Amino acid sequence: AQTVTQSQPEMSVQEAETVTLSCTYDTSESNYYLFWYKQPPSRQMILVIRQEAYKQQNATENRFSVNFQKAAKSFSLKISDSQLGDTAMYFCAFMQGNQFYFGTGTSLTVIP
Amino acid sequence: DAMVIQNPRYQVTQFGKPVTLSCSQTLNHNVMYWYQQKSSQAPKLLFHYYDKDFNNEADTPDNFQSRRPNTSFCFLDIRSPGLGDAAMYLCATAGTTGELFFGEGSRLTVL
Repeated sequence: AQTVTQSQPEMSVQEAETVTLSCTYDTSESNYYLFWYKQPPSRQMILVIRQEAYKQQNATENRFSVNFQKAAKSFSLKISDSQLGDTAMYFCAFMQGNQFYFGTGTSLTVIP
Repeated sequence: DAMVIQNPRYQVTQFGKPVTLSCSQTLNHNVMYWYQQKSSQAPKLLFHYYDKDFNNEADTPDNFQSRRPNTSFCFLDIRSPGLGDAAMYLCATAGTTGELFFGEGSRLTVL
C-alpha cells in the first residue's frame, strides 16, 4: 500500500523568509506522480506544484520549488519569499494509476 | 470559470435523514472522485470512477453510496447520516496531466 507522511503538523515563517515543508512516501512502484496542494482556510484546494517520478529535474513554479529525492522517497516543498497569502494547509499527495493518496497535511502560518 | 461545481455548498440535515450531494464537471474527464475531509485532516477517498467503472474504498461505510449517470455528473448519497458523518465532502476530477481539480466542497452538518 502507498503511504504519504508529513511529519510537521504545523509550521510558521516570517513574511519574506523561506520555509521548507517535508514529505516522505512509500511505494514499490517506479512510475508515479507527486503533488503539493494548498488549501487556504475555508477555500478550495488548489494545485501548487507537480513532479513526475521519471524526471530527475526538480519542478519549480515561481516561488515554489521541490526537492525530489527518489531513492530516499522524499519530496519536500520550498516556499521562497513567503507571503501572507501562503497561509494555508499544505498537503503532499502521491498518485499512481488512478489512485491518489494524501498526507495528513502541514498547517503553515506566515507571520507579518 | 469553475470546472468542478458542487451543490449545495452547505447542507444541514437531521440525524438519519438522507442527503444527496451533487457534483458536475465541465472538463469531460473520465475519472471522478469523492473525498471526505474532516477538520484539519487529509481528504479520505470514499469512491472513484473511471468512466462508468465504479470503485469504492474498502473502508467506505455502507451508509455511503454513489451514482454517476453520465460523464459530467456524479452524486454522493448518505442514506442515514450520523454525527460522525459531519464533514466537508470534496469532489474532484483528474486531468490528463494527472493533477486533481477540486470543487469547493459541500459542508455537511448533522443535527
